[in-house]
Amino acid sequence: QVQLVESGGGVVQPGRSLRLSCAASGFTYSSYDMHWVRQAPGKGLEWVAVMWYDGSNKYYADSVKGRFIISRDNSRNTLYLQMNSLRAEDTAVYYCARGRASTFGPPGGYWGQGTRVTVSS
Amino acid sequence: QSALTQSASVSGSPGQSITISCTGTSSDVGGYDYVSWYQQHPGKAPKLMIFDVTYRPSGVSNRFSGSKSDNTASLTISGLQAEDEADYYCSSNTNSSTVIFGGGTKLTVL
Repeated sequence: QVQLVESGGGVVQPGRSLRLSCAASGFTYSSYDMHWVRQAPGKGLEWVAVMWYDGSNKYYADSVKGRFIISRDNSRNTLYLQMNSLRAEDTAVYYCARGRASTFGPPGGYWGQGTRVTVSS
Repeated sequence: QSALTQSASVSGSPGQSITISCTGTSSDVGGYDYVSWYQQHPGKAPKLMIFDVTYRPSGVSNRFSGSKSDNTASLTISGLQAEDEADYYCSSNTNSSTVIFGGGTKLTVL
């Protein structure tokens, strides 16, 4: 069965960096786009970034552009989110979610359980 | 880019039908047939309820249906049940190859 397991969250000071990972299993990982989506405490879902199935393209929300870097290792079935210059407003639960295999679209039916990131001094 | 516009809350009694709307622009909702809807219970990951405007994933009740007209997509839930009480989010592609979510709608089953 499809599984997505995020890790790497924690408490970090403003201005510091953190790297999240998402280990995928149960499907042909290299065939699917992969997304990061976050949810601040008591707030709605916010799309963060996507990386195409083959790593050829990546796109970001304006709120993280220039600070976050999405990457993937198709040999390890793992998605990453390098978060630099963290701000208090980056505090959220971060989810990885599987996208599509054929055309670009919103996240599909498989999401991880989320990893919590708290940016605080 | 601003979030897609959803009403903050909606309510209905068991057995009734409710509709949640999601308004965007021609650069997102109106320009693509890739609108999805998600249900989220407190403390849980989102669950996909509708994709590509009208399609239900396997296992999702046929009480859930989706539609779109111009820049507004809608999610209708018929025969409301207590377990439908949750937050609902829409999302869409954009013409910038990004994704945008709605602000979310809290459904209360009275």
